[in-house]
Amino acid sequence: DTEVTQTPKHLVMGMTNKKSLKCEQHMGHRAMYWYKQKAKKPPELMFVYSYEKLSINESVPSRFSPECPNSSLLNLHLHALQPEDSALYLCASSQQVSNQPQHFGDGTRLSIL
Amino acid sequence: GNSVTQMEGPVTLSEEAFLTINCTYTATGYPSLFWYVQYPGEGLQLLLKATKADDKGSNKGFEATYRKETTSFHLEKGSVQVSDSAVYFCALILQAAGNKLTFGGGTRVLVKP
Repeated sequence: DTEVTQTPKHLVMGMTNKKSLKCEQHMGHRAMYWYKQKAKKPPELMFVYSYEKLSINESVPSRFSPECPNSSLLNLHLHALQPEDSALYLCASSQQVSNQPQHFGDGTRLSIL
Repeated sequence: GNSVTQMEGPVTLSEEAFLTINCTYTATGYPSLFWYVQYPGEGLQLLLKATKADDKGSNKGFEATYRKETTSFHLEKGSVQVSDSAVYFCALILQAAGNKLTFGGGTRVLVKP
């Protein structure tokens, strides 16, 4: 059982829709991450939050908007996505942004019509 | 820059066979090393880790030893099961590189009964 919970597990949306992905962890971790994973590829880092502050944005298009309301929650707001944004979106957390391992959720599989 | 190279798959084995997945890295410094496993339809699970040279990580019958002299972290298991069928990712974190997780390309393993 994963200790990082992501909802929804699957999401289908049109290019004009607005939706949000949610991630929750209760391990007391202070670093949280969003990754994008395309089929047969490793995850690609999108955003890093450290102590609820955005610390890394890997030049992600503005149609992806992250939010960290508190130390346990991480959201990814989606708007006007493109078909190429269809992918598995993974959330992860770690004790801090350090050499400690990151713990991943099961992801949200996103399909853009 | 820092990078991780894994053997390409798929690797197809019979049950109870010996598994080795090669992983080598390039890093300017002394990274922490990880193996993650991704079962079909799931997120990544931390399989094992090693933080310094000659450390051996082990979990669920899998082992890997941090070899600084060969910059390698090969994954081994003595007797695989069908349930070990998954994609395996070797990864590193380097403090000097902002503690970002750098993944190898992944190796798909298929174990047949």
